[in-house]
Amino acid sequence: TQLLEQSPQFLSIQEGENLTVYCNSSSVFSSLQWYRQEPGEGPVLLVTVVTGGEVKKLKRLTFQFGDARKDSSLHITAAQPGDTGLYLCAGVYNFGNEKLTFGTGTRLTIIP
Amino acid sequence: GAVVSQHPSWVICKSGTSVKIECRSLDFQATTMFWYRQFPKQSLMLMATSNEGSKATYEQGVEKDKFLINHASLTLSTLTVTSAHPEDSSFYICSAGGRDTDTQYFGPGTRLTVL
Repeated sequence: TQLLEQSPQFLSIQEGENLTVYCNSSSVFSSLQWYRQEPGEGPVLLVTVVTGGEVKKLKRLTFQFGDARKDSSLHITAAQPGDTGLYLCAGVYNFGNEKLTFGTGTRLTIIP
Repeated sequence: GAVVSQHPSWVICKSGTSVKIECRSLDFQATTMFWYRQFPKQSLMLMATSNEGSKATYEQGVEKDKFLINHASLTLSTLTVTSAHPEDSSFYICSAGGRDTDTQYFGPGTRLTVL
């Protein structure tokens, strides 16, 4: 059974600060996705990374996929209150199998 | 594009009754749909994978007779929680994947409260 650990579990920072969220697995991903979820809603896809070492940017969000494809990070620059939410990584472990394994989640609160 | 809807968005029922939740892909055909459960302040846990026209594949520990899944068409999957009990209260989320994409598109979720 693959486990997907996220850290930190909770993070509360002031507006304007930077932060990094980590996602780690003991197994290799074929691809990994990051989602943000608001209370009472379904998760919304932010990015998909596939290649080891890949870096993708989405405005103030930078996503990195580890060289060995076992870990990933999400870095937010100059956090804003609108970034508040539950951030989830989710990995696909087998090529051709769409089944997603979700991480434990990071609940982020940005204080104005 | 790639919109997934769920109905109802919330439901309250009495213990012992059955509840059906619908998941629809509105603008694409979903060969595979997934059902997840999310308890408060926790992550999503996959319950089952349903493929159109075939039986669902359930994850370990999920009772197939309690959580009935039907995927009768390429745009609709249903999850029926049979003989619901308070411990079944949770947020149920579906996702749909299309033929031409590896991406899953998530529905808005259904909040089930069993009294």
